[in-house]
Amino acid sequence: QVQLVQSGAEVKTPGASMKVSCKPSGYTFTGFFIHWVRQAPGQGLEWMGRINPNTADTTLSQKFQGRVTLTRVTAITTFYMEVTGLTSEDTAVYYCARSHGARKLDYWGQGTLLTVSS
Amino acid sequence: DIQMTQSPSSLSASVGDRVTITCRASDTVNNYLNWYQQKPGKAPDLLMYAASSLQSGVPSRFSGSGSETNFTLTIRSLQPEDFATYYCQQTYITPWTFGQGTKVDIK
Repeated sequence: QVQLVQSGAEVKTPGASMKVSCKPSGYTFTGFFIHWVRQAPGQGLEWMGRINPNTADTTLSQKFQGRVTLTRVTAITTFYMEVTGLTSEDTAVYYCARSHGARKLDYWGQGTLLTVSS
Repeated sequence: DIQMTQSPSSLSASVGDRVTITCRASDTVNNYLNWYQQKPGKAPDLLMYAASSLQSGVPSRFSGSGSETNFTLTIRSLQPEDFATYYCQQTYITPWTFGQGTKVDIK
């Protein structure tokens, strides 16, 4: 069965960086884009960007350009999202999700809680 | 960016009620419109894609309609497990923006 397993919760101080992993299983690694979506406490969903697993090409929301990097390591079939220059406004649950050719996010990771606090 | 606006932001309903949630896009999204259900502490689940296609495994009491800029999610007969927050999302143009969500709770 398809699963996306993310790394565990993180606590960071302002100005630090964080890197979340997302490891899919149950399907061909190169077959589907991986997207990243975040949700601040009590708030809605915010699309951050996506990565093409074949080419490593990325598309980021303008809001996150320059501060977010999406990567993949094919040898270990794992995706990563790194966010630099953290502030308290980055406190959120970060999700990875798979997109199908029909442009739908059909499987999601369990989420990774990031807390940014001094 | 295309802005997605859902209405209402919240509603109270009873088991068995018919519930309708609307989603309006600031520009055409063709039919690239998805609906998700999210329960507290959980990742979203895909309900509908391409405006009116039911995701595999989703009960048939859920349906979607619309095109261009106006879309609707309907729950034909609300069940206890349907109390949740619902989000629309356009996937026509990046960034793939979400609506602000509609919380459905028990009357």
